[in-house]
Amino acid sequence: AQSVTQLDSQVPVFEEAPVELRCNYSSSVSVYLFWYVQYPNQGLQLLLKYLSGSTLVKGINGFEAEFNKSQTSFHLRKPSVHISDTAEYFCAVRSEGGSEKLVFGKGTKLTVNP
Amino acid sequence: EAQVTQNPRYLITVTGKKLTVTCSQNMNHEYMSWYRQDPGLGLRQIYYSMNVEVTDKGDVPEGYKVSRKEKRNFPLILESPSPNQTSLYFCASSLGRLGSQYFGPGTRLTVL
Repeated sequence: AQSVTQLDSQVPVFEEAPVELRCNYSSSVSVYLFWYVQYPNQGLQLLLKYLSGSTLVKGINGFEAEFNKSQTSFHLRKPSVHISDTAEYFCAVRSEGGSEKLVFGKGTKLTVNP
Repeated sequence: EAQVTQNPRYLITVTGKKLTVTCSQNMNHEYMSWYRQDPGLGLRQIYYSMNVEVTDKGDVPEGYKVSRKEKRNFPLILESPSPNQTSLYFCASSLGRLGSQYFGPGTRLTVL
């Protein structure tokens, strides 16, 4: 069975600073990886996903993530954050074969301060 | 407009009173799913459906039922709700198992 660990439950940063939200996964088979964002009082929205190919994936709102198979990680980065990036971010994993389940991490609350 | 709708958005009920939360999507998606979100636990998958009449358990199916009689609808049924089912529930759909999931606005359920 797969699992996801988001190493930081809260990340405070100042506006225009870079940010990295960390995600590690565990799976005995190949995986597909996703990052979702949840703005206050809203549903989730897909930021980006890794299915295959280039390990550097670019998403919406200037975010990108790098898949590292040897370290079983899929960290999310943005070079310069805005106040509007304040939200909760979820990493999720699905196995390449077998189970159709999508497993989410517990989330990281990103707070961007002026 | 492509969307996933859920009803009701808010519900307060009492232990043991059967309830149904509806979910409908207008994108002709095959894959639909229900999640619950609890503080500190993230989202946990309750049930999912890969197509009409095809459903399977997620990680926390106990106390819930689902049905998929039509492609667009995927209701979540709580036959005998208990206080530990107080949570924020999300329905989601995608074109296939690797497609981008579209989430509904959420249903906040309180069971007294």
